[in-house]
Amino acid sequence: QQQVKQSPQSLIVQKGGISIINCAYENTAFDYFPWYQQFPGKGPALLIAIRPDVSEKKEGRFTISFNKSAKQFSLHIMDSQPGDSATYFCAASGTGGYQKVTFGIGTKLQVIP
Amino acid sequence: NAGVMQNPRHLVRRRGQEARLRCSPMKGHSHVYWYRQLPEEGLKFMVYLQKENIIDESGMPKERFSAEFPKEGPSILRIQQVVRGDSAAYFCASSATGTSGSWNEQYFGPGTRLTVT
Repeated sequence: QQQVKQSPQSLIVQKGGISIINCAYENTAFDYFPWYQQFPGKGPALLIAIRPDVSEKKEGRFTISFNKSAKQFSLHIMDSQPGDSATYFCAASGTGGYQKVTFGIGTKLQVIP
Repeated sequence: NAGVMQNPRHLVRRRGQEARLRCSPMKGHSHVYWYRQLPEEGLKFMVYLQKENIIDESGMPKERFSAEFPKEGPSILRIQQVVRGDSAAYFCASSATGTSGSWNEQYFGPGTRLTVT
C-alpha cells in the first residue's frame, strides 16, 4: 500500500523550463512534507519542506505548493538547469514523538541543454 | 563535522553468505533509521533504532534480517544467508532528539550498495 503517490516517475525538461512533480497522500496524520534530492551514487538530501498550514513555500528556484483539502502537494523547479538532474522524492511524516518518514517512489529528472 | 558515515560503500556477497552493513550517525544524533532502495524504486523504511533499543522494525523482513545500535559503536544491519533479491542500496539516516511538534530532519549517509552474486 503506497501511502504517498508520486508522479511522473521520469521527466525530461529543457534548460530554462519548469519542472513539476506531483504527490498525493492518504494519511491525514501526516503533518510535515519534505522533498529530497538524490544524485547518482549519493544519499538523499533534504531540499525543501512544508507544513500543511502553509499553501506555498519558495526557496530560490524551488517552490512547494500544498493543497490540504485535496491532500496533494507539488514541487516546481523554475528555470531548470542541467545541474538539477537528479531523482526527487516527496515524503510525508508526523511531527509528534516517533517521526517515520514515508517516501514516494521518486521522479528521475533530466534537464537537457 | 562529519555527516552520516556508512561502510562499506560497496559489498559483494555470494548467495548464502552474510552481509554486515555499518552506520555511524552524525555526532550528537541518537536516532538511526535504515532504508532499502531497490533499482527503480523509492526508499522503503526498514527499521528505526535508538541506542540499545529497536523502536520500530515493521519494515524489516521477518527472517534473515536483524539490526542493532549498541551503546558504543555503529549501528549494524545484518543480513544472513543473502539471496539475489537482497541486492539493493541500503541507506542509513540519523536524527537528533527534538521536541514534539517540530520535525527532526533525517540526514542520510551515502549508502551501501549490496550485490549478491
